[in-house]
Amino acid sequence: TAGITQAPTSQILAAGRSMTLRCTQDMRHNAMYWYRQDLGLGLRLIHYSNTAGTTGKGEVPDGYSVSRANTDDFPLTLASAVPSQTSVYFCASSDAAGGPDEQFFGPGTRLTVL
Amino acid sequence: KNQVEQSPQSLIILEGKNCTLQCNYTVSPFSNLRWYKQDTGRGPVSLTIMTFSENTKSNGRYTATLDADTKQSSLHITASQLSDSASYICVVNGSASKIIFGSGTRLSIRP
Repeated sequence: TAGITQAPTSQILAAGRSMTLRCTQDMRHNAMYWYRQDLGLGLRLIHYSNTAGTTGKGEVPDGYSVSRANTDDFPLTLASAVPSQTSVYFCASSDAAGGPDEQFFGPGTRLTVL
Repeated sequence: KNQVEQSPQSLIILEGKNCTLQCNYTVSPFSNLRWYKQDTGRGPVSLTIMTFSENTKSNGRYTATLDADTKQSSLHITASQLSDSASYICVVNGSASKIIFGSGTRLSIRP
């Protein structure tokens, strides 16, 4: 079982360009999440989806958008990238939103915006 | 404000030694607390979960404790191995799906 995969592994992007980070899980989890991880800070929630067809804003949603057309996929889009969006992005999924369920994380996408 | 603070920020110990990582939180109400291990270049992986009624839980050489009264948790690693080198993240789950991540402790094990 692959679990949760992300693509690309890393990317260098010019400021002002758009980009979509891909995330796919094969565990049939209902909930999915996007986080960014910056040096010295904890993982910060960007957007989440409790179930297919619904999305919500996390702690740092500005500049990002998501969609959840089906259970497996949860892409994150940067419409017009800025240098402050340079970070490592992690996608995660869990069986149910909230509660004690473990979140399973992908391997991350390292994004550099120049 | 809901916060999760971890200490120390970084720690270097010799292989075979024990160590204890600390996590203090102000998240209220409290649902559960997880410790995750994050290897370099990888996503976090859950080590253990603690609920309000649990004081101690072990996972191999890892032992987590929780004091819900003082809002403190610790992760004790016994007989450290080189593969224990990683960041350890404390995550507290509050109400209404509120999940707060600590910034982690970076542990380095030296041979």
